[in-house]
Amino acid sequence: QSVLTQPPSVSAAPGQKVTISCSGSTSNIGNNYVSWYQQLPGTAPKLLIYDNNKRPSGIPDRFSGSKSGTSATLGITGLQTGDEADYYCGTWDSSLSARVFGTGTKVTVL
Amino acid sequence: EVQLVESGGAVVQPGGSLRLSCAASGFTLDDYNMHWVRQAPGKGLEWVSVINWGSGTTYYADSVKGRFTISRDNSKNSLYVQMNSLRTDDTAVYYCAKDKHSTSSLLDAFDIWGQGTMVTVSS
Repeated sequence: QSVLTQPPSVSAAPGQKVTISCSGSTSNIGNNYVSWYQQLPGTAPKLLIYDNNKRPSGIPDRFSGSKSGTSATLGITGLQTGDEADYYCGTWDSSLSARVFGTGTKVTVL
Repeated sequence: EVQLVESGGAVVQPGGSLRLSCAASGFTLDDYNMHWVRQAPGKGLEWVSVINWGSGTTYYADSVKGRFTISRDNSKNSLYVQMNSLRTDDTAVYYCAKDKHSTSSLLDAFDIWGQGTMVTVSS
């Protein structure tokens, strides 16, 4: 069982915005950086956001991250068909001494 | 180009052993925390283990503790995981991944992933 909870799925029309929540606790999100990953079908995950809200080089600013307390949020604006993928949050859990992932969210572009 | 290439995946019987390898190129493996992450068929990502840069301190998920051992060979710029007492629920694609920042704490993010290698545990 994952210690980070995400909604199983979100959907929106092309050009619209979606947000994905990631809920944790003080031992993980509350006191550590959050990162977000995109996994297209049949491929390895790709880093989208690190240190809560920073984008690696090459990631468009349509992707944004934020954190408040023990929850984090990934936002995707200007939704495109190529954004259809599974998205995972991740962080370090100080109680477990382990990296942990969220349960994953499937984004569908209607 | 920074790259990770896993190998060693196979079909193995329950109770068996397997060693996976991850060859790194384009960076010095010893400068980064290096991880194994797995994904069972149709399931989410599960972190398996990390080896800390420099000191080589290791951490494991509870699900593999005592059965898996992560290691690295700096002379070969390669990462390994020795998997013993394999169970059917160890069946997964295994990815190696590096942390984004060199000489970082464990509060970092995975920025480069390999393509994965499939391990199937079945009789």
